[in-house]
Amino acid sequence: AQKITQTQPGMFVQEKEAVTLDCTYDTSDQSYGLFWYKQPSSGEMIFLIYQGSYDEQNATEGRYSLNFQKARKSANLVISASQLGDSAMYFCAMRERGGTASKLTFGTGTRLQVTL
Amino acid sequence: EAGVAQSPRYKIIEKRQSVAFWCNPISGHATLYWYQQILGQGPKLLIQFQNNGVVDDSQLPKDRFSAERLKGVDSTLKIQPAKLEDSAVYLCASSLTGVWTGELFFGEGSRLTVL
Repeated sequence: AQKITQTQPGMFVQEKEAVTLDCTYDTSDQSYGLFWYKQPSSGEMIFLIYQGSYDEQNATEGRYSLNFQKARKSANLVISASQLGDSAMYFCAMRERGGTASKLTFGTGTRLQVTL
Repeated sequence: EAGVAQSPRYKIIEKRQSVAFWCNPISGHATLYWYQQILGQGPKLLIQFQNNGVVDDSQLPKDRFSAERLKGVDSTLKIQPAKLEDSAVYLCASSLTGVWTGELFFGEGSRLTVL
């Protein structure tokens, strides 16, 4: 079973508008972390935001916020006031505390295109 | 603070040839990861080291891929012999050991094209 599911292969948003990128996850661990990374066309993976499973408040980092709904196992990324430079691939990822190898497992990504 | 360094950035080889990629993690990061990212997909973990010991290599095709991390710092990922389906970006990442809530820091990747 997929641990991280991103159902939107591509999204368009107009400049200055807000956009939500969907992410659902599957884990039986009580302790886990959810991450969002941005990957521009240049290829590097840029960390955006983190949400811990025990965090009571939704994480925010500047224009990025994470809409965390634990019961629904969803961790959607909200980008407010989109900018042209936000055009990139966005990956949701999860790190589970259980086991000896707390690796980061990625979804398949969503390509965001910001238009004028 | 210096980031994760990788080389070479680009490599083109023919199938059945060999190739090696090098990674230098962020100073003080004991955990090092190699991910494979095929075009249009999310990164997939190949191998994870903690210091110079392997903690997860379950998705490493061991008949052709090998990796080592000498002295718990730099790491090398080798492919021999390469197949067409190995064309991908190989991403190296590092993180603080034991800080499972912390993010992974990625290098710029090494793009491999197998002809």
